[in-house]
Amino acid sequence: GENVEQHPSTLSVQEGDSAVIKCTYSDSASNYFPWYKQELGKGPQLIIDIRSNVGEKKDQRIAVTLNKTAKHFSLHITETQPEDSAVYFCAAARFSGGYNKLIFGAGTRLAVHP
Amino acid sequence: GAVVSQHPSWVICKSGTSVKIECRSLDFQATTMFWYRQFPKQSLMLMATSNEGSKATYEQGVEKDKFLINHASLTLSTLTVTSAHPEDSSFYICSARSPLVFKETQYFGPGTRLLVL
Repeated sequence: GENVEQHPSTLSVQEGDSAVIKCTYSDSASNYFPWYKQELGKGPQLIIDIRSNVGEKKDQRIAVTLNKTAKHFSLHITETQPEDSAVYFCAAARFSGGYNKLIFGAGTRLAVHP
Repeated sequence: GAVVSQHPSWVICKSGTSVKIECRSLDFQATTMFWYRQFPKQSLMLMATSNEGSKATYEQGVEKDKFLINHASLTLSTLTVTSAHPEDSSFYICSARSPLVFKETQYFGPGTRLLVL
């Protein structure tokens, strides 16, 4: 079945540095790739998503890139701040008609040190 | 973005009792709601998908008689954990989707922490 691998599992950066998280998916028919941020004890919050007809999307300090040929996508956070510290999950889905089951990666625990 | 709420935020119950968790979409009508379970330091595991007015579709390995799901309206879905046992202790999170408004996007609730003693 569909599988999403996420790396690294933990990431520690200094405030102001950039952070990159990478994910690889197995289903070549996947066409929707969201990223979620989960703070301790809370539900996941959508931070950015990208569809397969787009190679890159940016929203202020956050950007996502997609390489369909290699079946991988990445989250880039620039100018990191302590409040960016959280667990980040990537996901992939084959959106077809009315059904899309998200397949999540294992998560990346990001720590931003002041 | 859209707002999804869950109630209660946390619950402690005795082994053998049943617990109901509510999931509401506050500012949109959700044709599909999803229920996930998350163990500490692990990823989200999809338990079931429910469409308004129809039976839920459960993922492999999830007991439908133990985890009862009711999606009675376009803004409310409930998960009932029947005859709860300590191994059911977990963080339960719902998400909601409205294809007409948000296409593929799922919005998550804040989660419900269940502790079974």
